[in-house]
Amino acid sequence: EVHLLESGGGLVQPGGSLRLSCTASGFTFNNYAMYWGRQAPGKGLEWVSGIIDGSDTTHYADSVKGRFTISRDNSKSTLYLHMNSLRAEDTAVYYCAKGGEYCSGGSCSNFDYWGQGTLVTVSS
Amino acid sequence: EIVLTQSPATLSLSPGERATLSCRASQSVSSHLDWHQQKPGQAPRLLIYSASNRATGIPARFSGSGSGTDFTLTISSLEPEDFAVYYCQQRRNWPLTFGGGTKVEIK
Repeated sequence: EVHLLESGGGLVQPGGSLRLSCTASGFTFNNYAMYWGRQAPGKGLEWVSGIIDGSDTTHYADSVKGRFTISRDNSKSTLYLHMNSLRAEDTAVYYCAKGGEYCSGGSCSNFDYWGQGTLVTVSS
Repeated sequence: EIVLTQSPATLSLSPGERATLSCRASQSVSSHLDWHQQKPGQAPRLLIYSASNRATGIPARFSGSGSGTDFTLTISSLEPEDFAVYYCQQRRNWPLTFGGGTKVEIK
């Protein structure tokens, strides 16, 4: 059974930094793309970043490009999101997700399984 | 960026009724569109991938259709546990984008 557990959220001041972790189990971690998404309080879902298996190719939403860095440690089956220069608008529940379970026509699903999320609050 | 517009924003129905949710893309996404369900206080869950395929463990009352720019999620007969928010999501192009969601509420 796939299990994703996020940690590292909390209260941080504007301009501060935080590192989120996502520990994965139940699948061969290094074989799959992994993603971060977020949901601001009372709002919809937003994709944040993705890291493709093996190649370590990364993608970012424009809203976080240059401030956030996604990385993975395959030996620890762990996904990270390093967040710098945090803003009030980054306040959200951050979810990690496993992708790549369902592929067709050269494209694979991105959010096959979601973790329970970790809350990041940016406030002074 | 591909914009996904979901309608209606809210759907008020009774258990046993049929629900029809719409998702329209600002440009063609072929069949690279997925649907997710989110219940209050819970993480989202993948329901449908590639427009019309149910993910593992998803009941047959959920079905998806469409291609190009117009997509539909249908719940044939609403069960009490189906009252939730539903999001469409495209993966045709980066950035990945989600629709604003449709809330299915009990009438």
